[in-house]
Amino acid sequence: GAVVSQHPSRVICKSGTSVKIECRSLDFQATTMFWYRQFPKQSLMLMATSNEGSKATYEQGVEKDKFLINHASLTLSTLTVTSAHPEDSSFYICSARGPGVPTTDTQYFGPGTRLTVL
Amino acid sequence: KQEVTQIPAALSVPEGENLVLNCSFTDSAIYNLQWFRQDPGKGLTSLLLIQSSQREQTSGRLNASLDKSSGRSTLYIAASQPGDSATYLCAPKGYSTLTFGKGTMLLVSP
Repeated sequence: GAVVSQHPSRVICKSGTSVKIECRSLDFQATTMFWYRQFPKQSLMLMATSNEGSKATYEQGVEKDKFLINHASLTLSTLTVTSAHPEDSSFYICSARGPGVPTTDTQYFGPGTRLTVL
Repeated sequence: KQEVTQIPAALSVPEGENLVLNCSFTDSAIYNLQWFRQDPGKGLTSLLLIQSSQREQTSGRLNASLDKSSGRSTLYIAASQPGDSATYLCAPKGYSTLTFGKGTMLLVSP
């Protein structure tokens, strides 16, 4: 089956620093990637959708200047949390889909990245 | 805006029981609906995907049904095992995105 990886799995940083999270599709071309955030005991909330080579589309209430998304290739998308603050501490999960994998509809999810901002 | 509700929020059962997890959604204009499993601190594993034209899907001990017009889906787990312990998430898919419920946290005790 299609595999999506994320790196790092955990990151702890100081308030005010920037953190980059990578999302890779290992065995298929991901024409679309999604970034979600999940707070404890809450549902996954979609932050943004990115198509390869295009600017990301952000959901209402998500600051695009704070959460920078780059989808420069068909196998890699990055999320950079700029000037992170404790309230940005969360579980960030990416997902990816691509043509015929096994259908264009199916999203495959990464294992998530736990971000803790001190 | 799609809203998804999952009932119960938590469920604790002894091993061997058959159980039903419920999902309701407010916007019936969906393309498909997926059920996922999430282990603590982990990502999501897709369990079943039901297309909007289908009524149910089966995979092993799992059976998911969909009643699109009434905005409901159920996940039936037969002969539950301790390894089934996890949070189960329901996610209907609209035009382009999935909307997730908060999940049902299942604990199956030996």
